Amino acid sequence: DAGVIQSPRHEVTEMGQEVTLRCKPISGHDYLFWYRQTMMRGLELLIYFNNNVPIDDSGMPEDRFSAKMPNASFSTLKIQPSEPRDSAVYFCASRVMNQPQHFGDGTRLSIL
Amino acid sequence: DAKTTQPPSMDCAEGRAANLPCNHSTISGNEYVYWYRQIHSQGPQYIIHGLKNNETNEMASLIITEDRKSSTLILPHATLRDTAVYYCIVGQTGANNLFFGTGTRLTVIP
Repeated sequence: DAGVIQSPRHEVTEMGQEVTLRCKPISGHDYLFWYRQTMMRGLELLIYFNNNVPIDDSGMPEDRFSAKMPNASFSTLKIQPSEPRDSAVYFCASRVMNQPQHFGDGTRLSIL
Repeated sequence: DAKTTQPPSMDCAEGRAANLPCNHSTISGNEYVYWYRQIHSQGPQYIIHGLKNNETNEMASLIITEDRKSSTLILPHATLRDTAVYYCIVGQTGANNLFFGTGTRLTVIP
């Protein structure tokens, strides 16, 4: 079975540029989560969706961050404009009903 | 959600059982114990979870004490591929905000 698929796996861009991270959840899963992992802060929840609707975005650090889920099989996390402190590994996860979350392999983002 | 305490690191000889402890003394009655692991450069991988009874699957066993204040994850025959950071998390069923903490770095030694 295909797991959570994230793209790109690595992204290097210059400060000020727009960054778009993509996620395809496991088919049939109705929850989707975006996390960020850094050495300093560990793994943090940014936002999660239920049935394509954002439920809790309290972890989104600033207005520069936005996330959308236009349909059940696709979500994006956008950073505009990007800053060096946004450098981190971004993970997407999904789950169904009361089952555990399953994670993708992440996007390693470097902002120069 | 209740927080957990894990040793920062452990070593285990290849082929032996790895027993990873976790304390969760403030766990609530409706909170589950979840275990995930993160192998270098990969996303967290779900291993197992339980409420009060011991659980076993193809990856591991989970032993929860009767008072539910602590648990142990058992990898019965550790291999080099089990080297990873192991996270013990407590939360309600279908928990949305998983607090991963710092976990236990398990190193399996040949």
